[in-house]
Amino acid sequence: GDQVEQSPSALSLHEGTGSALRCNFTTTMRAVQWFRKNSRGSLINLFYLASGTKENGRLKSAFDSKERYSTLHIRDAQLEDSGTYFCAADTGGYKVVFGSGTRLLVSP
Amino acid sequence: DPKIIQKPKYLVAVTGSEKILICEQYLGHNAMYWYRQSAKKPLEFMFSYSYQKLMDNQTASSRFQPQSSKKNHLDLQITALKPDDSATYFCASSQDVRAETLYFGSGTRLTVL
Repeated sequence: GDQVEQSPSALSLHEGTGSALRCNFTTTMRAVQWFRKNSRGSLINLFYLASGTKENGRLKSAFDSKERYSTLHIRDAQLEDSGTYFCAADTGGYKVVFGSGTRLLVSP
Repeated sequence: DPKIIQKPKYLVAVTGSEKILICEQYLGHNAMYWYRQSAKKPLEFMFSYSYQKLMDNQTASSRFQPQSSKKNHLDLQITALKPDDSATYFCASSQDVRAETLYFGSGTRLTVL
């Protein structure tokens, strides 16, 4: 069954504002990764977390394996942040399972 | 320069034919993967390989066969193509197969008529 539930499916932000994306997991995951799909359709890795939080510029991610969720916070959103964001969870086997994506649109 | 090269970028095939999707990575990674994304569906795991050995296969059909001639190559042969096989196929790699950051190619968009 579905192991990764990502929300929201779509998000609109004005420049300078912020919000959070969330992934809930139906089982305990070993690690989580967050990706953004760029204009070429390539998936760019934003974060890899086995626990705790990481921050990179205006992005911050958190992962709680016990509570089975991960978040990606975007602050001071810019136009170039628009795109589709995916979380992906390491199930502990030899595969990584993806969420269905959040389509973010940042407008002036 | 892209470090994971997928060829071709676009591919059109007729039902019943056979195609090979090419993937090469120049990251020095030991693990490689194939994923598929059909319209309006999440990225779906297909295969994982480590040191050219199959580690996991979540593809129901034997029509999908990975081929690894070198450690940095993992091609995907698809036989007896069906319209439902139409999707974008992504190759990925990581340093090792467990709990590692994934790096993706730009995908091959396959359309089966």
